[in-house]
Amino acid sequence: EPEVTQTPSHQVTQMGQEVILRCVPISNHLYFYWYRQILGQKVEFLVSFYNNEISEKSEIFDDQFSVERPDGSNFTLKIRSTKLEDSAMYFCASSETGNTEAFFGQGTRLTVV
Amino acid sequence: KNEVEQSPQNLTAQEGEFITINCSYSVGISALHWLQQHPGGGIVSLFMLSSGKKKHGRLIATINIQEKHSSLHITASHPRDSAVYICAVRWGLYDMRFGAGTRLTVKP
Repeated sequence: EPEVTQTPSHQVTQMGQEVILRCVPISNHLYFYWYRQILGQKVEFLVSFYNNEISEKSEIFDDQFSVERPDGSNFTLKIRSTKLEDSAMYFCASSETGNTEAFFGQGTRLTVV
Repeated sequence: KNEVEQSPQNLTAQEGEFITINCSYSVGISALHWLQQHPGGGIVSLFMLSSGKKKHGRLIATINIQEKHSSLHITASHPRDSAVYICAVRWGLYDMRFGAGTRLTVKP
């Protein structure tokens, strides 16, 4: 069964460093999303991406964050200068259309020290 | 702002029991999702609903648009159903708001 793949599963980084979280969405899906979940808190929407551009972003998704689809298969989330409060589980998801079910990856646990 | 409220927060059941988890939201939506999050953190989509009822195996999800309420039912619960169940709503095109989740523990 097709699935969304995220790498790495766990990343530890020093405060101030840049990190790139990687996702491979399901191949025929056109809509891509990033969410985050701070430990013990709700999952939060960060950004959606369609047709090579951001279609919607939340207030969390500030200038420190960027997304890119560098090739036909990968979808990345970059955090430019990590802060301690960026420590969270980051989930990538994809869907065939904007109105169909989203499939989630297993998440990348980011720890900023 | 659309708020998503789930109840109960925690639920413990004996194997075989019928489980109901509730979700209510404050404004009109385009779709409601039920998700399952396992202890390792991974999220699995269970259902997407915009009206009526859906069934998959022992899981049933219903939604009442007028009352802004949805329920997830698990029949003949099993210890492997132990997980956090999350309700999430989409009212625009892409933004999704998530409930805090219901932690279900099914004891053998």
